[in-house]
Amino acid sequence: DGGITQSPKYLFRKEGQNVTLSCEQNLNHDAMYWYRQDPGQGLRLIYYSQIVNDFQKGDIAEGYSVSREKKESFPLTVTSAQKNPTAFYLCASSTGGRVSNQPQHFGDGTRLSIL
Amino acid sequence: AQSVSQHNHHVILSEAASLELGCNYSYGGTVNLFWYVQYPGQHLQLLLKYFSGDPLVKGIKGFEAEFIKSKFSFNLRKPSVQWSDTAEYFCAVNTGGYQKVTFGTGTKLQVIP
Repeated sequence: DGGITQSPKYLFRKEGQNVTLSCEQNLNHDAMYWYRQDPGQGLRLIYYSQIVNDFQKGDIAEGYSVSREKKESFPLTVTSAQKNPTAFYLCASSTGGRVSNQPQHFGDGTRLSIL
Repeated sequence: AQSVSQHNHHVILSEAASLELGCNYSYGGTVNLFWYVQYPGQHLQLLLKYFSGDPLVKGIKGFEAEFIKSKFSFNLRKPSVQWSDTAEYFCAVNTGGYQKVTFGTGTKLQVIP
């Protein structure tokens, strides 16, 4: 079945460490996204990529980094500069490249906690 | 910058009651509007979408939403809710040209049998 796979489901990090969250899709979608979901704040966009080798900052990019070397992969690194990294992270993808009216497909998420 | 407001944070209804969840956005140009649903333990999924045409949009599971341009609103409705509709509902908007989507803060719906 086509879909989005996020791994791991749960992740623990020590303060001062960088950690990378994986997101892979086999939907042949051009666009991919990373969101952070906090209680009462909905989904906030961290980074998005409309096409391979291109990505844009979202609303809360500070302390995060991404890469888009392959169409199917969009890993997110939470760096030690992110002051409050404990959250639920969602990856999504959509088709259409620069066409903005396509819905997004979401992964199951990764819950990151700081030890 | 575009923004989305969902004024109802937590709604509790009895089965068979009617539902209306509010969604307002702030952007004066062409918009694409979405409602997503997150059932307990499941991933976010599309409920319905509006791009153009008939402002009354029908989605899955008996949900519908009406786009009222003059009010910048895209409220979600269902005539009779079921216990299985218990979930968190998110309104989302993007504007023409780019794939950046802005989500509302979500509304948790609890349906009591």
